Amino acid sequence: GIQVEQSPPDLILQEGANSTLRCNFSDSVNNLQWFHQNPWGQLINLFYIPSGTKQNGRLSATTVATERYSLLYISSSQTTDSGVYFCAAASSGSARQLTFGSGTQLTVLP
Amino acid sequence: DGGITQSPKYLFRKEGQNVTLSCEQNLNHDAMYWYRQDPGQGLRLIYYSQIVNDFQKGDIAEGYSVSREKKESFPLTVTSAQKNPTAFYLCASSIQSAYGYTFGSGTRLTVV
Repeated sequence: GIQVEQSPPDLILQEGANSTLRCNFSDSVNNLQWFHQNPWGQLINLFYIPSGTKQNGRLSATTVATERYSLLYISSSQTTDSGVYFCAAASSGSARQLTFGSGTQLTVLP
Repeated sequence: DGGITQSPKYLFRKEGQNVTLSCEQNLNHDAMYWYRQDPGQGLRLIYYSQIVNDFQKGDIAEGYSVSREKKESFPLTVTSAQKNPTAFYLCASSIQSAYGYTFGSGTRLTVV
C-alpha cells in the first residue's frame, strides 16, 4: 500500500514564528488531507488537498502531486496551534482508504 | 449541528470480554471508518463501510467486528480475540471515500 512519511517528527517554535511541515507519499493519490489533533485527541480536518494550493487564515497547504509531496504552512504561530499534525493519503490506483503518516508534534511556546 | 458522536468516551474492559463502541453520524455521509491510535503513533484503519449492509477489512481487522445496518450507525465490537485492545479508537465519516473526513471525539479503551 501507499507509504506516507512526515517531517520533522517534532518541532518547537516561539509564538509568532512561521513553520513548514512536509508530507511525502509513495504513489499517486486521489485523496490527501491534513489534520490537527488537539491534546484531547480530537482530529480536525484542516485541508482536503489532493492537488493545488489552499489557504485558510494563517494556514495554507500545497500539494505537488507529480512530485508526490505536500506542505503545510503555519504563519504567525499561536500557542493554540500546538498539537500533532497528520497527513493522510489514499492511492488513486486502488480502492484503499486513507493511510496516515506518523505525525509532526508541534509545540508553540509563549 | 451535524457531526459524529462516539460513546462512551472512556471504557474499561476485563480480559476475555467483548465490548462494543458506538459511532453515530447525522451528516448523511455514505462512508464510515474505524481507526485505532496507539500512543505516539498515527492512525491505523480497522474497518470501513461505503454503503449500508457492506463493509471491508482495513489493515488491522483481526479481533474486531462491525455492522452497518443503518446509514447513521457503524458500531465496532472489540472481541476477546484482540490481543492488545488498549488504545484510542476514532470513528470517521465522509460523503464518499475520496472526500474529506470528519472525525468523532474518540473512545479510550483500557483493558484491566
